[in-house]
Amino acid sequence: RKEVEQDPGPFNVPEGATVAFNCTYSNSASQSFFWYRQDCRKEPKLLMSVYSSGNEDGRFTAQLNRASQYISLLIRDSKLSDSATYLCVVNSVGNLIFGKGTKLSVKP
Amino acid sequence: DTEVTQTPKHLVMGMTNKKSLKCEQHMGHRAMYWYKQKAKKPPELMFVYSYEKLSINESVPSRFSPECPNSSLLNLHLHALQPEDSALYLCASSRIQGDDSPLHFGNGTRLTVT
Repeated sequence: RKEVEQDPGPFNVPEGATVAFNCTYSNSASQSFFWYRQDCRKEPKLLMSVYSSGNEDGRFTAQLNRASQYISLLIRDSKLSDSATYLCVVNSVGNLIFGKGTKLSVKP
Repeated sequence: DTEVTQTPKHLVMGMTNKKSLKCEQHMGHRAMYWYKQKAKKPPELMFVYSYEKLSINESVPSRFSPECPNSSLLNLHLHALQPEDSALYLCASSRIQGDDSPLHFGNGTRLTVT
């Protein structure tokens, strides 16, 4: 099992849709989790940090399931500007492990 | 606006050139990182500095030479690069290496080696 795995993309959704990405991790000792968004040819930008069961920020909700070892990112009411690659990053005993990213494309 | 500043934004260099990438942060972070990112791939860790000391070198070729002059600055010296070294080079910082704080990335230097 890879250390951090993300849903394969791309996700193509219409504006206004709700979309969810999953990210599974292999090290049960992992303590902190992060979602980043990365636009084409730009740097990753921190979207959300998750330390306990979850976090919510406007249209974005992250949930952590320690028993099944996954975190999810839910985006409600998708906007065209949400189109990006979403990277899951897991702090695995002090080492930051990146998933390969999931590409989201929101269409009019 | 990014709190981690990288220069230059773009760099084109020949295989015999020597150049340097620069990174600066003023968030009081004590861990700084260099990542390399190729198209459609996640960032790949190159080096970590913790309290201005090299903590991790991910078996990076010696044509890449990092330097941390002080707690706010991080450089990456480049010499005799290969075309396959062309990539986006990202600097990042975090509060302390190994704690639960996130990485803050600079806007990157897009490097092309000709």
